[in-house]
Amino acid sequence: DAGVIQSPRHEVTEMGQEVTLRCKPISGHDYLFWYRQTMMRGLELLIYFNNNVPIDDSGMPEDRFSAKMPNASFSNLKIQPSEPRDSAVYFCASSLSSENTEAFFGQGTRLTVV
Amino acid sequence: AQSVTQPDIHITVSEGASLELRCNYSYGATPYLFWYVQSPGQGLQLLLKYFSGDTLVQGIKGFEAEFKRSQSSFNLRKPSVHWSDAAEYFCAVGGTGRRALTFGSGTRLQVQP
Repeated sequence: DAGVIQSPRHEVTEMGQEVTLRCKPISGHDYLFWYRQTMMRGLELLIYFNNNVPIDDSGMPEDRFSAKMPNASFSNLKIQPSEPRDSAVYFCASSLSSENTEAFFGQGTRLTVV
Repeated sequence: AQSVTQPDIHITVSEGASLELRCNYSYGATPYLFWYVQSPGQGLQLLLKYFSGDTLVQGIKGFEAEFKRSQSSFNLRKPSVHWSDAAEYFCAVGGTGRRALTFGSGTRLQVQP
């Protein structure tokens, strides 16, 4: 398997624009996680899904952020409208359903909002 | 609520020296504990994990960690550091009932020749 695939790797956008980040989890994994990494706040969980259903979205910063998982092989995270403080690295991770297993991370998307 | 504390933000060691990175966790039930490593511009790679059983766990690249319940700690060790070990190291906790991991703030390791 190619691992967790995220696209794009880098995104530069202007403030106010809509941004869409994409993730393809490892095939067969039931859980999908979105994390955000910044210098100030470290790695924060934004939202996670189990079998395509959102389980916990309490980490989503505000209504400008939304995430969907329309099927088992794809998820997206949207920011609309984007703001400079959204600049960060966004990671997607996936894991199997059994409890004693780790999360596998993608390479991340570095988002810069100018 | 679960939390992870990595008290050392930055550590510098000489190549060939031993290494210990500290991690303390707070979790209301039996924890699952992980160490991940992140090289610049890369994602997180799992070094090792603890779920149950032997409290000393071996990982990749010669790393090991010891779970000490009485101290709520899961420190990472390596007997002899290589220059390629320079990276950022994250400790994380999860467990039954909560599949999402909570990460510490990370420790950046610098290796001197």
